[in-house]
Amino acid sequence: AQSVTQLGSHVSVSEGALVLLRCNYSSSVPPYLFWYVQYPNQGLQLLLKYTSAATLVKGINGFEAEFKKSETSFHLTKPSAHMSDAAEYFCAVTPNHFNKFYFGSGTKLNVKP
Amino acid sequence: EAGVTQFPSHSVIEKGQTVTLRCDPISGHDNLYWYRRVMGKEIKFLLHFVKESKQDESGMPNNRFLAERTGGTYSTLKVQPAELEDSGVYFCASSQGTGGLGETQYFGPGTRLLVL
Repeated sequence: AQSVTQLGSHVSVSEGALVLLRCNYSSSVPPYLFWYVQYPNQGLQLLLKYTSAATLVKGINGFEAEFKKSETSFHLTKPSAHMSDAAEYFCAVTPNHFNKFYFGSGTKLNVKP
Repeated sequence: EAGVTQFPSHSVIEKGQTVTLRCDPISGHDNLYWYRRVMGKEIKFLLHFVKESKQDESGMPNNRFLAERTGGTYSTLKVQPAELEDSGVYFCASSQGTGGLGETQYFGPGTRLLVL
């Protein structure tokens, strides 16, 4: 069975501070992992994805995530938060023999000036 | 290139009425998915089309939901009759369908459905 856990439904950071959004997954097979971002009144936009190549994945807008198999984690980080990063972030997993995504419950990121 | 579009953006209906949601995928994308997010919960898979065929409809809640994909292009999701628990945001996504596993899915902005 596949599932995704995102710790913290709301995360608040100051502008310029480190962003860390946590994602843990369970999967019966080696998974493909994704982070999506949703800005207000918009669709989900792909930030980055892991597809069994490099374990450290770089995405758009300065975000990156590291796949740690031993910890079943795929945490999203950004060294310095910007006001424009305020949005809701979703972690998703798909096992390698299906295409449907299993999503976490989302984390809303608030960036304080 | 146009992205995935969904219509309407919002819909407010009364319990027992019928609502039809429409999704236009990215041109040329064979795979089309429907997902739903009930308030505060995770986004959940409803079904998956490959061209005009239903590949996986394991996430459809019950037989009040009917999805179609005419000619392998746009898709509709009809809820008849609507119940209060059907309220939520319905997302459509599409992917190219070149056969690669873990393909990126491109999402539309969603339809916000409220059943009163």
